[in-house]
Amino acid sequence: DAKTTQPPSMDCAEGRAANLPCNHSTISGNEYVYWYRQIHSQGPQYIIHGLKNNETNEMASLIITEDRKSSTLILPHATLRDTAVYYCIVSPRGAGNTPLVFGKGTRLSVIA
Amino acid sequence: NAGVTQTPKFQVLKTGQSMTLQCAQDMNHNSMYWYRQDPGMGLRLIYYSASEGTTDKGEVPNGYNVSRLNKREFSLRLESAAPSQTSVYFCASSEEVLGIFGNTIYFGEGSWLTVV
Repeated sequence: DAKTTQPPSMDCAEGRAANLPCNHSTISGNEYVYWYRQIHSQGPQYIIHGLKNNETNEMASLIITEDRKSSTLILPHATLRDTAVYYCIVSPRGAGNTPLVFGKGTRLSVIA
Repeated sequence: NAGVTQTPKFQVLKTGQSMTLQCAQDMNHNSMYWYRQDPGMGLRLIYYSASEGTTDKGEVPNGYNVSRLNKREFSLRLESAAPSQTSVYFCASSEEVLGIFGNTIYFGEGSWLTVV
């Protein structure tokens, strides 16, 4: 089972920031938070990941709360091409082999 | 930049037929995966291969077999297709299942399989 909880859908106006929340209250100390997105039945695309510090790259920013029980993916200026399903995933680093487990994600609709 | 390549892209099978989905990656990744995605659902892991020569079951392995032919290739076989296996299948690869850079996974474009 996925260890994250996300809202099933969200809308965002084009040009505005899209803030996608994710709860991961059972996250362990060695688990990363990953975000992927899937545009219209294409293969999922990596966006960003983090452990405990906030992260930013050319696609998005990831804000992780101090207790690490939740995080927010921020698309600063959403465009119509950002319409997709966004997956928040937690995955450990360390002993054992644990592939990523995808939940149902959040369907983000960017509206003109 | 080929990345992860899957074949075929579309396939229609009759119940009971067998087929193999092929996957190859050119990124020298150690780990490879097969996921399936049913309409309106998230991805579910079928099998994965942490490294060449090893394979492990995922969430939904029943009805499937896999072969890690070499470091580049990871095939998924349906021995006796059933309508419940109608789905979109995604192959993926990553440098390692677990690594210091985390699990950045690269996906293929998907294979649409219909079993009638």
